[in-house]
Amino acid sequence: DTGVSQNPRHKITKRGQNVTFRCDPISEHNRLYWYRQTLGQGPEFLTYFQNEAQLEKSRLLSDRFSAERPKGSFSTLEIQRTEQGDSAMYLCASSSKGGTKWEQYFGPGTRLTVT
Amino acid sequence: SQKIEQNSEALNIQEGKTATLTCNYTNYSPAYLQWYRQDPGRGPVFLLLIRENEKEKRKERLKVTFDTTLKQSLFHITASQPADSATYLCALVGLKRNSGYALNFGKGTSLLVTP
Repeated sequence: DTGVSQNPRHKITKRGQNVTFRCDPISEHNRLYWYRQTLGQGPEFLTYFQNEAQLEKSRLLSDRFSAERPKGSFSTLEIQRTEQGDSAMYLCASSSKGGTKWEQYFGPGTRLTVT
Repeated sequence: SQKIEQNSEALNIQEGKTATLTCNYTNYSPAYLQWYRQDPGRGPVFLLLIRENEKEKRKERLKVTFDTTLKQSLFHITASQPADSATYLCALVGLKRNSGYALNFGKGTSLLVTP
């Protein structure tokens, strides 16, 4: 078990550009979450997948954001027409459906800087 | 509106002492409450979970209490060590129909343990 991985770890982009992040959850975990964290704040929930189905989206997830989880494995989060306010750490987490389903395992995050 | 409040100021304690961190919440009926540790530049790491019908939970040097009447959880680290220095996040799990077990986090409390 290699844990949750995220790529890239850092991304610097210019305002207006599109960016895509990838998350590879722990292999047997069917639940996948995306969170966003800004400096001095706790992570904020963005969206949730159970297998390949996106079951919940936060109001924080504007129309410029889209997430997918094809085949219920890895997930991607795309931000179109980035704005400076999108600068944050984007965290992915996964959890199982078994006895430890309440515990979420987080990846190292992708730090996005929009200039 | 729902709020999760943690000590906003950093907590500085001497090695060997017990650190006590507070998490208060309002307008919330959590089924579970979790504590996570986060080091700079890294994703949160799960520490402990306590259910609404449990008063106290222990794991090695960690102890969590949960008072649903006071709407408060206390997180204790006994015999603290410099390696315990980190930000500690309180997270509430509310069971919504489609949100899996999405976490709502407090801002976190920074703990610094000095030798």
